[in-house]
Amino acid sequence: SQTIHQWPATLVQPVGSPLSLECTVEGTSNPNLYWYRQAAGRGLQLLFYSVGIGQISSEVPQNLSASRPQDRQFILSSKKLLLSDSGFYLCAWRNGANLQETQYFGPGTRLLVL
Amino acid sequence: QKEVEQNSGPLSVPEGAIASLNCTYSDRGSQSFFWYRQYSGKSPELIMFIYSNGDKEDGRFTAQLNKASQYVSLLIRDSQPSDSATYLCAVRAPRAGNNRKLIWGLGTSLAVNP
Repeated sequence: SQTIHQWPATLVQPVGSPLSLECTVEGTSNPNLYWYRQAAGRGLQLLFYSVGIGQISSEVPQNLSASRPQDRQFILSSKKLLLSDSGFYLCAWRNGANLQETQYFGPGTRLLVL
Repeated sequence: QKEVEQNSGPLSVPEGAIASLNCTYSDRGSQSFFWYRQYSGKSPELIMFIYSNGDKEDGRFTAQLNKASQYVSLLIRDSQPSDSATYLCAVRAPRAGNNRKLIWGLGTSLAVNP
């Protein structure tokens, strides 16, 4: 069966500090991968998606970036965090080999920027 | 007009009653529809998906799709306090292309009272 991991689970960072969040998927190959942010009281905002190694599409201009160095690894980064970067960061995957569009979420990382 | 709209709630129902959650979408060409449940502080988890007009049942849950009227609903029979959560509606729109992006509603908060 497939599992998706995210770490860390929670993070408190000062404004201006760097960020690196990691997501890994097990039990599948060539997944489509997604990074979402959910701010308090708001909906899911798609940040980045990837259909393969090194292939990243950005949905929203911001000070965040994403990378996919390996097939089942997806990393979200920032060089300098802003207060507005606080939120619940969710990684999701879907099976890239078929037409099934269901996305499955990891446990999330709660980020607080102070 | 938002692409996917849900009543934010809270929707309050007594234990054992039927909870009815509704979602409307703007893109008439939308093809796939998903319901996710999100407990407070947790990541969304898939309840069910529906592709064709009509009803789809899975245990206590029934999804209903009406493409002509552009709405999808979720019925929860014999509601339990453990069903108290936010329910997210997501829609796969044709213009999302091959990246299989989903368009998300803001969610409806459901409270089931013992």
